[in-house]
Amino acid sequence: EVQLVESGGGLVQPGRSLRLSCAASGFTFDDYAMHWVRQAPGKGLEWVSGISWNSGSIGYADSVKGRFTISRDNAKNSLYLQMNSLRAEDTALYYCAKDMQGAVAGTLFDYWGQGTLVTVSS
Amino acid sequence: QSVLTQPPSASGTPGQRVTISCSGSSSNIGSNYVYWYQQLPGTAPKLLIYRNNQRPSGVPDRFSGSKSGTSASLAISGLRSEDEADYYCAAWDDSLSVPYVFGTGTKVTVL
Repeated sequence: EVQLVESGGGLVQPGRSLRLSCAASGFTFDDYAMHWVRQAPGKGLEWVSGISWNSGSIGYADSVKGRFTISRDNAKNSLYLQMNSLRAEDTALYYCAKDMQGAVAGTLFDYWGQGTLVTVSS
Repeated sequence: QSVLTQPPSASGTPGQRVTISCSGSSSNIGSNYVYWYQQLPGTAPKLLIYRNNQRPSGVPDRFSGSKSGTSASLAISGLRSEDEADYYCAAWDDSLSVPYVFGTGTKVTVL
């Protein structure tokens, strides 16, 4: 059974940093690209960032480019999102999602974690 | 910022058929597969349809997807109370600035 468990969310002041983690199990982690998708309270889904199976291809939404960094550790079956210079508009539930293939290109997500809440407020 | 447009709401009585539309452009739906996700209240999204009309194992055949040109549709036949949820379409977009795009979401209510 595929499981994705996010952690690291919390309340943080504007301008500060936070690091999210996603622990994966139930599939061969290093065969698949992984993504972060967020959902602001009461709003729709927004893709944040994605990373290919070997970290060779990485992409970011314009809204987080230059502030967020995605990474993965295949030996630990883990995905990360380093979030710097956080803004109020980054407040959202952050989901870890598994791609249907290894590349960040064309296919979307077949499994999602339950999410970790990030609240940016003074 | 959603690039794919969906109606904000849809409704039906148990047993009815409900259809949700998703309108995009040539850079997303027009040239790539469409995916549909179901988000039950307070839960994570779940893949409902992939590659326009394919159902993952475990998804009832009451759910079906179709695509024509730059639009797609999700149909729910034999509507059930447990189908009350938010539904999102999604697609890869050939625009490198926003490679993954989602729909605005449709809230389905079972009357």
